[in-house]
Amino acid sequence: GIQVEQSPPDLILQEGANSTLRCNFSDSVNNLQWFHQNPWGQLINLFYIPSGTKQNGRLSATTVATERYSLLYISSSQTTDSGVYFCAPNDYKLSFGAGTTVTVRA
Amino acid sequence: DTEVTQTPKHLVMGMTNKKSLKCEQHMGHRAMYWYKQKAKKPPELMFVYSYEKLSINESVPSRFSPECPNSSLLNLHLHALQPEDSALYLCASSQDPSYEQFFGPGTRLTVL
Repeated sequence: GIQVEQSPPDLILQEGANSTLRCNFSDSVNNLQWFHQNPWGQLINLFYIPSGTKQNGRLSATTVATERYSLLYISSSQTTDSGVYFCAPNDYKLSFGAGTTVTVRA
Repeated sequence: DTEVTQTPKHLVMGMTNKKSLKCEQHMGHRAMYWYKQKAKKPPELMFVYSYEKLSINESVPSRFSPECPNSSLLNLHLHALQPEDSALYLCASSQDPSYEQFFGPGTRLTVL
């Protein structure tokens, strides 16, 4: 299966700060998803982004499929952004990375 | 509506019990999935149903038995589980296996 590496593993931010999360994957994929898992375990869809750049409010994502990586940008972070962010490329099934745990402090 | 529902939210069972987890979606999706997630780990795929047929079984022990009665419903039957099977069980659905997946809120299972 596809190997997925996410970095950094942990990220502590002051409210209002910006950050970039990275996802490297080992093979070509059909598409890629970014999720935010809240403290109650719910996986929230952030982006479905096989290539290119998408923006949704304070979040944006870029996938460069030819170079096998994707980036998630969080701008003006808020405490509600805390949680685990997963990248999951899809080659007929999702392969989850280990996640980045984000803590935003007020 | 991008909602996947799961029942129950929490389940505590003994090792000799038989129980079932239920998942439902009304988005017209034709692929449904079961994942298992242990604490501080990513979700791990267990089963994939595509057009109501089991298409992927990730070498899951037979004490977990999936069932897809129709295109909107997915069950996971549990029997003779072990304490190490305690985890969050997530259901997901998508239009097709290569399309965007949407997850339910999960069932937190504790095996005593």
